[in-house]
Amino acid sequence: GAVVSQHPSRVICKSGTSVKIECRSLDFQATTMFWYRQFPKQSLMLMATSNEGSKATYEQGVEKDKFLINHASLTLSTLTVTSAHPEDSSFYICSARGGVAKNIQYFGAGTRLSVL
Amino acid sequence: AQSVTQPDIHITVSEGASLELRCNYSYGATPYLFWYVQSPGQGLQLLLKYFSGDTLVQGIKGFEAEFKRSQSSFNLRKPSVHWSDAAEYFCAVGPRDDKIIFGKGTRLHILP
Repeated sequence: GAVVSQHPSRVICKSGTSVKIECRSLDFQATTMFWYRQFPKQSLMLMATSNEGSKATYEQGVEKDKFLINHASLTLSTLTVTSAHPEDSSFYICSARGGVAKNIQYFGAGTRLSVL
Repeated sequence: AQSVTQPDIHITVSEGASLELRCNYSYGATPYLFWYVQSPGQGLQLLLKYFSGDTLVQGIKGFEAEFKRSQSSFNLRKPSVHWSDAAEYFCAVGPRDDKIIFGKGTRLHILP
């Protein structure tokens, strides 16, 4: 099956710093990537959808200036949490869709962000 | 409005027993349906999917699901669970505006 790599798996940072999370599709070209946030014991909340070469589309209530998304190539999307605060601490998961299985999202392993 | 309901937040079964996880959906057209599994601290792994055709679909790890249009359901089943099946299971439906909608999840506990 399709493989999506997400890095780092865990990051701890100080309040006010920025953190970048990478999401790569390893064996297919991801025309669309999705970024989710998951709170403890809850479902996934879609933050934004990004298509290669286009600006990301953010869900209502998600601050686009705080959560910067770049999808510069067909295999890489990045999420940058700018000026992180403790309330941004969460589990962030990316998914990618593309190739032959256009209607299936393949997920990365997630990134646990802890902001001190 | 499109939605996915997983009525059971927690399910506990004994190892070797059969399993059924419930999923009901609300969707205006013929849906695409998915079951994903998430182990603690991990991303989601696709167990199986239904797009069209045979309403009984087979997935990985011995799981199967049956699409019942009349009941708007897509329940996940396994005839005999293993301790390694303990995880969070998410039902999802799509596409809506190119996205899929997830249920709130069912946490499966396995008794030895």
